[in-house]
This record gives sequence, C-alpha cells and structure tokens, in this order.
Amino acid sequence: KAGVTQTPRYLIKTRGQQVTLSCSPISGHRSVSWYQQTPGQGLQFLFEYFSETQRNKGNFPGRFSGRQFSNSRSEMNVSTLELGDSALYLCASSISTGRAEQYFGPGTRLTVT
Amino acid sequence: EDQVTQSPEALRLQEGESSSLNCSYTVSGLRGLFWYRQDPGKGPEFLFTLYSAGEEKEKERLKATLTKKESFLHITAPKPEDSATYLCAGGGSQGNLIFGKGTKLSVKP
Repeated sequence: KAGVTQTPRYLIKTRGQQVTLSCSPISGHRSVSWYQQTPGQGLQFLFEYFSETQRNKGNFPGRFSGRQFSNSRSEMNVSTLELGDSALYLCASSISTGRAEQYFGPGTRLTVT
Repeated sequence: EDQVTQSPEALRLQEGESSSLNCSYTVSGLRGLFWYRQDPGKGPEFLFTLYSAGEEKEKERLKATLTKKESFLHITAPKPEDSATYLCAGGGSQGNLIFGKGTKLSVKP
C-alpha cells in the first residue's frame, strides 16, 4: 500500500508571496491533518479535514488555509508569506478522525527569503 | 492548556546499553498516547498507540508503557540503527495530536 505523498518536497519563496502544498493520503484514508515543524516550536497542529470538511483548526493565523477534495487529497495554502513561515510542513492521514493512528508523509520543506 | 513534555532532550547510549525515554502529559480528554520515530529529513514514523493506563506494547527492541500521567519508551539493547528522534504525542479531544519536542537518541557502536 502506498504511503502518504506530498508535493513538492522543497520550495523556496519570497516574503509576500503565496504557496500551495499538496498531500495525497493513504488509499482509503479520509482524514488529513496538517502540521508545521520548526526547530523551536516542534510539531504544531494546523488543521484537519475529514470528508471535505474542516474538522478543527490549530492556533495559526488566517493566512493558513486548506481544503480537501472528494478523493481525500488535500491542499494547504499560505498567503502573504513571512520569514517565520519557513518550516517543514507535514501531512498526516488516518482512516477516521478522533482516536485513529495518523501516518505522516515526508513533508514539504518551505524556505521563505 | 494541553501539554506534552519529553525528557531528556538528548540521550547518548553505547550499543547494548538499555535506557528509557519519558513523556509526561496533560491533555484534556486524552484520546490515545502516540509514539513516533523521526529520522532526519523524513516525516514521523508511527510506532505505538496506548489508550489505557497499564497498557504496554512492544516492537523489536522497543516497549511503550502508559500511566495516568506519563508514558515511557524503553529501549532494550539498542543498536546504532535505533538512532533517531523519538516523538510522543497526546491525542486531543478534537482529534489533533499534541506533540512533545522529542528526544534525540544517539547509539554509538
């Protein structure tokens, strides 16, 4: 069974630009969660989508948004990029929401200059 | 506020030297305690989920245990390939994972 895939793997953007990251979950998984990982803050929850609906959201500004498609694939968008948005963005999928184990993709390394 | 704290931040062991990693948690409505392994440049790899105090799970040289306030990851006779960052996470009441900062384990031959 194929794992979680994320594209692109690496991105370099300039302050003020916007970026879209993509995530394809494990086949059959309907929940997709997004996390930001930085050396200082560790892994922090951004939001979760289940059946095309945002289930819950972490404590991030509105510049961070996402969506999920009918095939469970998800995209995350960050507008008006800031230097502090440089991080590893991880996507995780699970069969359902709540107690299910989450399986992570390799991440997208975003660098904002 | 939900919080997960891991200790130590870093641990250096000799091959074969057993030890334990600690994860203390304060998560309202805990929906499982999760352990992950993360290698440099990769996403976290799922290891275990524990749901009830007293529960134990094993995988090769790793054993995870859970109490009402803490979880331990015991590493028996580690090998260099066990070197990685081990992450603990509590399942929040809304289905999100609250992660600790991790323990970076180095096992020298």
